[in-house]
Amino acid sequence: QQQVKQSPQSLIVQKGGISIINCAYENTAFDYFPWYQQFPGKGPALLIAIRPDVSEKKEGRFTISFNKSAKQFSLHIMDSQPGDSATYFCAAILSSGSARQLTFGSGTQLTVLP
Amino acid sequence: ETGVTQSPTHLIKTRGQQVTLRCSSQSGHNTVSWYQQALGQGPQFIFQYYREEENGRGNFPPRFSGLQFPNYSSELNVNALELDDSALYLCASSLVGVNTEAFFGQGTRLTVV
Repeated sequence: QQQVKQSPQSLIVQKGGISIINCAYENTAFDYFPWYQQFPGKGPALLIAIRPDVSEKKEGRFTISFNKSAKQFSLHIMDSQPGDSATYFCAAILSSGSARQLTFGSGTQLTVLP
Repeated sequence: ETGVTQSPTHLIKTRGQQVTLRCSSQSGHNTVSWYQQALGQGPQFIFQYYREEENGRGNFPPRFSGLQFPNYSSELNVNALELDDSALYLCASSLVGVNTEAFFGQGTRLTVV
């Protein structure tokens, strides 16, 4: 079953706080793990992504932590801002030749209070 | 902005009708994928096109079909629309290769009544 489980469903954080979203996957054949941010009425926008042979990747306030043995990965948003309020999706990519399929988590609705 | 454009942005159709959604890929990208996103859920993979042929498909019935054109633009066609087809339809373009990101358009909101 190509499934990605995401938690929590919703998250409320104070401005300046740390937001943490977790994902777990089953299929060890997944070869790339992106995170997307989506605002209402818009398409998902790529935030940051990581390969399974890397344990951590940081870009600005966003950090992915990846635990290959546990088949888990998480997104940390440092110094969270009201403008970060959006829905966040983790995803896992399965590549086969020229075919690449993204399997998304169910999403986390983040609200950052001013 | 990602450079992936979709049209129309909103559409209302009647159950049983057919619909065509369009996508223009980001310049330099040769692969296009379509996703269905129901309200409050994550996008679900419909299919992918590369070199004008379908090379991957999710769990969607044959009434969902597509085309990719030589300029890498694409269409999603849905026949015999059902109420459950109401969703945001997303197009994503990418370049063949490992670890290349997919960039999404803003989506087409389809409402079936």
